[in-house]
Amino acid sequence: AQSVAQPEDQVNVAEGNPLTVKCTYSVSGNPYLFWYVQYPNRGLQFLLKYITGDNLVKGSYGFEAEFNKSQTSFHLKKPSALVSDSALYFCAVRALNSGNTPLVFGKGTRLSVIA
Amino acid sequence: DGGITQSPKYLFRKEGQNVTLSCEQNLNHDAMYWYRQDPGQGLRLIYYSQIVNDFQKGDIAEGYSVSREKKESFPLTVTSAQKNPTAFYLCASTPHTWPGDYGYTFGSGTRLTVV
Repeated sequence: AQSVAQPEDQVNVAEGNPLTVKCTYSVSGNPYLFWYVQYPNRGLQFLLKYITGDNLVKGSYGFEAEFNKSQTSFHLKKPSALVSDSALYFCAVRALNSGNTPLVFGKGTRLSVIA
Repeated sequence: DGGITQSPKYLFRKEGQNVTLSCEQNLNHDAMYWYRQDPGQGLRLIYYSQIVNDFQKGDIAEGYSVSREKKESFPLTVTSAQKNPTAFYLCASTPHTWPGDYGYTFGSGTRLTVV
């Protein structure tokens, strides 16, 4: 079975400070990993993905994520937070060799960046 | 521009009434998905379809029905058997060559409220 855990419901950070949104996963074998962002009353937007290769993935809007296989983690990071980064963030996973199995999403983490 | 269109954006349902949420994509994607979003519960899979005239139940299919008569369209009917339908509904699609650029492409969602 595939699962994703986002241990923090809410993360608060001051503008200009670095931010981290945590994600751990469980799959059989190697994973596809994604981060999506959602603004109020909108669909989810793609931020970045990990398939294979470099463990540090760079994505949209200055975000990056580090794949750590031993810790089964894929934390989202940004060196300097902006107020406009305030949104709901979702981590998602699917096993690499699971055919067409749908993505499994975490429960989301609400990021609040305070000016 | 290619994308996924969900309509209506807001929908009100009376007790005992069936309603249908529309999802149309012009991305030539093969697979389509319906998720339900409730506060604090993340995204939960209702139904998905990988090819025309075929679909599978997700984790919370009870009280919902779907059809996939055309590649572009994947409507979701919320039946009177769904006892707590008030939620935000998201449609998504993926290309045949998973994961493509974005994994899932999402529509903007439909907010359904029981009145």
